[in-house]
Amino acid sequence: DVKVTQSSRYLVKRTGEKVFLECVQDMDHENMFWYRQDPGLGLRLIYFSYDVKMKEKGDIPEGYSVSREKKERFSLILESASTNQTSMYLCASSALGGGLGEQYFGPGTRLTVT
Amino acid sequence: AQSVTQPDIHITVSEGASLELRCNYSYGATPYLFWYVQSPGQGLQLLLKYFSGDTLVQGIKGFEAEFKRSQSSFNLRKPSVHWSDAAEYFCAPGAGSYQLTFGKGTKLSVIP
Repeated sequence: DVKVTQSSRYLVKRTGEKVFLECVQDMDHENMFWYRQDPGLGLRLIYFSYDVKMKEKGDIPEGYSVSREKKERFSLILESASTNQTSMYLCASSALGGGLGEQYFGPGTRLTVT
Repeated sequence: AQSVTQPDIHITVSEGASLELRCNYSYGATPYLFWYVQSPGQGLQLLLKYFSGDTLVQGIKGFEAEFKRSQSSFNLRKPSVHWSDAAEYFCAPGAGSYQLTFGKGTKLSVIP
């Protein structure tokens, strides 16, 4: 069974803290994605990666960075968390790039910044 | 620019009734088309996808969707809804040069 795991289901952080969200996939997929999901806004793409050490900005990259040192792991970093980054964060992976392939999603991390 | 519209934010149906969730897209060319479902507290799961060929595609859990090029639509249907279908549904077109664009979702409630 394919698996995308995220390091935490729930996370509470203070304003200004550096926050790391980790995602691991076991399907040997080239492509990995980070989305944030907010009520009424659907999923918005933050960053994606099509290979180790490669990254591309999505639609809303401001305030975020990413790291992909190994194929199976893709990290989302909030350099200085702010309250407007309170959201559900979803990681996904895909064998095919662009909008061609099925994406497999992790269960999500609900981040609250106080 | 590519875009996708799910006109219905929230739909309520009775168990056993039929269901149709609407999806319209705007793309430079015919995109690949996906429907995902998100149960409460879960990540998204693929229901079905359309790449080419037969415009009526079958998915998991008894769902189907029909691609209509002339209407730029890819509506999701189910003949008889079960209480376990209560979830949020997302339409997502994509193409080789573009990432998936997710609609804002339609939340489905099912009355027993």
